[in-house]
Amino acid sequence: NAGVTQTPKFQVLKTGQSMTLQCAQDMNHEYMSWYRQDPGMGLRLIHYSVGAGITDQGEVPNGYNVSRSTTEDFPLRLLSAAPSQTSVYFCASSYGRGSGNTIYFGEGSWLTVV
Amino acid sequence: GEDVEQSLFLSVREGDSSVINCTYTDSSSTYLYWYKQEPGAGLQLLTYIFSNMDMKQDQRLTVLLNKKDKHLSLRIADTQTGDSAIYFCAESGAGSYQLTFGKGTKLSVIP
Repeated sequence: NAGVTQTPKFQVLKTGQSMTLQCAQDMNHEYMSWYRQDPGMGLRLIHYSVGAGITDQGEVPNGYNVSRSTTEDFPLRLLSAAPSQTSVYFCASSYGRGSGNTIYFGEGSWLTVV
Repeated sequence: GEDVEQSLFLSVREGDSSVINCTYTDSSSTYLYWYKQEPGAGLQLLTYIFSNMDMKQDQRLTVLLNKKDKHLSLRIADTQTGDSAIYFCAESGAGSYQLTFGKGTKLSVIP
């Protein structure tokens, strides 16, 4: 049972480069989301999806794109990386709305933009 | 928008009890959570409480909820050095998939 799998775990990018953070879950969860964690800021929601083909913006969506072509995968794309996007990124998934304890997080992806 | 507030630091001696406090503003919060994050690791769900409860106990952990004051606390009994971590309070509203997190409380346990 893999749960929520994020790759890569660590990445260094140069300003202006693009990359995709991968997130996959094997629990048939309908809801998936991406958060970023910055020192002293807690976790902030970037984008989320309530099912295949449906995505929406969270609190801090600028500079990021997402798509949800399958139930399992929810990649996060940085089209032109900026130093302000240096952060730790967490993917999460849950079974349903207001799910209580069924919100699972990946192990995180540490991204540095130089 | 909705807000979740926590103190940033807490320091306790090994063997003492730790109490981490959290306040929130969303009166429609349905579930309130405590997550633990160890250095360089992801988030581990410790416990959660449904808004119609006022207390939940799970081994060394006790969660107290005062819904009137929108105040949540996490008590860790017999705190150990392995409890040193950042603890996040989070809430989700009725019918919502989304979590709103506090900024985290860094718990330091002194041997």
